[in-house]
Amino acid sequence: GAVVSQHPSRVICKSGTSVKIECRSLDFQATTMFWYRQFPKQSLMLMATSNEGSKATYEQGVEKDKFLINHASLTLSTLTVTSAHPEDSSFYICSAEGGMQPQHFGDGTRLSIL
Amino acid sequence: DQQVKQNSPSLSVQEGRISILNCDYTNSMFDYFLWYKKYPAEGPTFLISISSIKDKNEDGRFTVFLNKSAKHLSLHIVPSQPGDSAVYFCAASSDRGSTLGRLYFGRGTQLTVWP
Repeated sequence: GAVVSQHPSRVICKSGTSVKIECRSLDFQATTMFWYRQFPKQSLMLMATSNEGSKATYEQGVEKDKFLINHASLTLSTLTVTSAHPEDSSFYICSAEGGMQPQHFGDGTRLSIL
Repeated sequence: DQQVKQNSPSLSVQEGRISILNCDYTNSMFDYFLWYKKYPAEGPTFLISISSIKDKNEDGRFTVFLNKSAKHLSLHIVPSQPGDSAVYFCAASSDRGSTLGRLYFGRGTQLTVWP
């Protein structure tokens, strides 16, 4: 069964709306969670790394005020896309790791901004 | 700058035969490598991994080979099955300690296994 749960799986909303995506580790404590973005036929691009209880580390070119990440507990991280615009439409995937387990991924969120 | 490269965007193999997916990397600090399988509209699923202290790791139909001197790894699937049709991502990490840390991904190879 799934070890990382990501919700929602699909979001369609109007331009200017803020969207929150949740990522939960189901049966292990995720000391670190990662947020990726994937464009069609492209690799997974890391957006940010978040450690429980501390501020996220963003990759170069990723706007931290645009993509707000909160990792308040060892089982939950959230990504909020603020004031989303059509160019933010993409497939967002989270992953979580803890101990010596390889990263497990959520099923992703398809975000479509109209 | 792509530090992990999968130069074949697609591979087509007949059912029952061997599928060989290739991956090259440029960063000599990478010491842990993973293969993920991804279906459309789903997140990647971990398949198999290998540490740099090994040159081969096997799990059922899946075997990963690592050639550190060539900075090359490959995933062998034998026998291939239609259900193996998916995008396969190669990933690498250079973080040690209690977690694997950041993963660097290739662009993926679409494997199609036909009957």
